[in-house]
Amino acid sequence: QSALTQPPSASGSPGQSVTISCTGTSSDVGAYNYVSWYQQHPGKAPKLMIYEVSKRPSGVPDRFSGSRSGNTASLTVSGLQAEDEADYYCSSYAGSNNFVVFGGGTKLTVL
Amino acid sequence: EVQLLESGGGLVQPGGSLRLSCAASGFTFSSYSMSWVRQAPGKGLEWVSTVSGSGGTTYYADSVKGRFTISRDNSKNTLYLQMNSLKAGDTAVYYCAKGLLSYTWYFDLWGRGTLVTVSS
Repeated sequence: QSALTQPPSASGSPGQSVTISCTGTSSDVGAYNYVSWYQQHPGKAPKLMIYEVSKRPSGVPDRFSGSRSGNTASLTVSGLQAEDEADYYCSSYAGSNNFVVFGGGTKLTVL
Repeated sequence: EVQLLESGGGLVQPGGSLRLSCAASGFTFSSYSMSWVRQAPGKGLEWVSTVSGSGGTTYYADSVKGRFTISRDNSKNTLYLQMNSLKAGDTAVYYCAKGLLSYTWYFDLWGRGTLVTVSS
């Protein structure tokens, strides 16, 4: 069982927006600004999409945005495109006992 | 080209040992923390271990503490993971990953992974 809880699946049509949630606790997501999101296409390595809750690394389209409310972080993908179909994982720093925890992943399907 | 290339995976019996390597190129290796993240077949990501840029500080997941040792050789631009007392639950693709800028806990460059299978 993963430390962070994500819905197993999400979907949307091209051009629409979809939001994926990531629920943790006051010891991880709610405690630190070290929340990140990774995109993983089948058979490929993960790619960092969001860090520090809402910052985008260079090269990541601004269609991807992150936010947090309390112990739940969210990734929103706007203007869905076919290439956005992938697995998405959230991650958070969890203090000096657990360090880094991941969510179980959400499979995003572009209809 | 900026890249990470893992090697050393394979089939090992329960209780056995294996050493993974990750060769880095295209960036100043010693300036960044480096980590290992694994993914069991069909499962999600699990952080395994991180080492600081100098190699002086290491961090481990509880699931591998006392069995795995992370290290680096900055003169060779190489990251290592020594895995001992391997269990079936350690079966996974092991990715090495580079820390983002000065951050320790974000990983902005990943290798393609090396598969470790623990089975008799």
